[in-house]
Amino acid sequence: DTEVTQTPKHLVMGMTNKKSLKCEQHMGHRAMYWYKQKAKKPPELMFVYSYEKLSINESVPSRFSPECPNSSLLNLHLHALQPEDSALYLCASSQVDRESWYQETQYFGPGTRLLVL
Amino acid sequence: KQEVTQIPAALSVPEGENLVLNCSFTDSAIYNLQWFRQDPGKGLTSLLLIQSSQREQTSGRLNASLDKSSGRSTLYIAASQPGDSATYLCAVKQFNGTASKLTFGTGTRLQVTL
Repeated sequence: DTEVTQTPKHLVMGMTNKKSLKCEQHMGHRAMYWYKQKAKKPPELMFVYSYEKLSINESVPSRFSPECPNSSLLNLHLHALQPEDSALYLCASSQVDRESWYQETQYFGPGTRLLVL
Repeated sequence: KQEVTQIPAALSVPEGENLVLNCSFTDSAIYNLQWFRQDPGKGLTSLLLIQSSQREQTSGRLNASLDKSSGRSTLYIAASQPGDSATYLCAVKQFNGTASKLTFGTGTRLQVTL
């Protein structure tokens, strides 16, 4: 099973709402990632979790709050978003073998398309 | 800061043609380079991964090369098919001491026509 699942597929929210995006993998991967992708642009890294600990935060505004409750699950909590935050949010996972981490490919989920009104 | 550029931004070819997509990066301190495919509104599918010590990788009709010192990679697609129509992204992997990160290129949108 090389699948990363994301829910919901689509989300529409107002600027005062609180919502969460969910990502799940059962490949035993210990690194999980959140990316943001605007239309016709490449994905941009937001957060990296390694062994359930936040290891990279690419200066993301605090209205985005990641959480990794266990090794299979990654959440992104959203609060007081702006219309410019509308994008495709992609989750990915990879192995973290300390001997061969550089060889590991990232597996991506299908994404959550978010629209902020 | 790593910057990754892909040329051309868009490409339309008739079915059966061979084609080359280009990727260049500014910081050669990379661990590997990956090529991904993305269909409209979908996630990314990994096509090929080249380690920094390798020169090329092949998978079916795809061949990717890497010249790390000059900061360049190419993806060669042989005998293109309409099903190859998608956006192709290259990405370079670097390590910041605690975790690895991918920096993606700007993408090439490929259309293969009948």
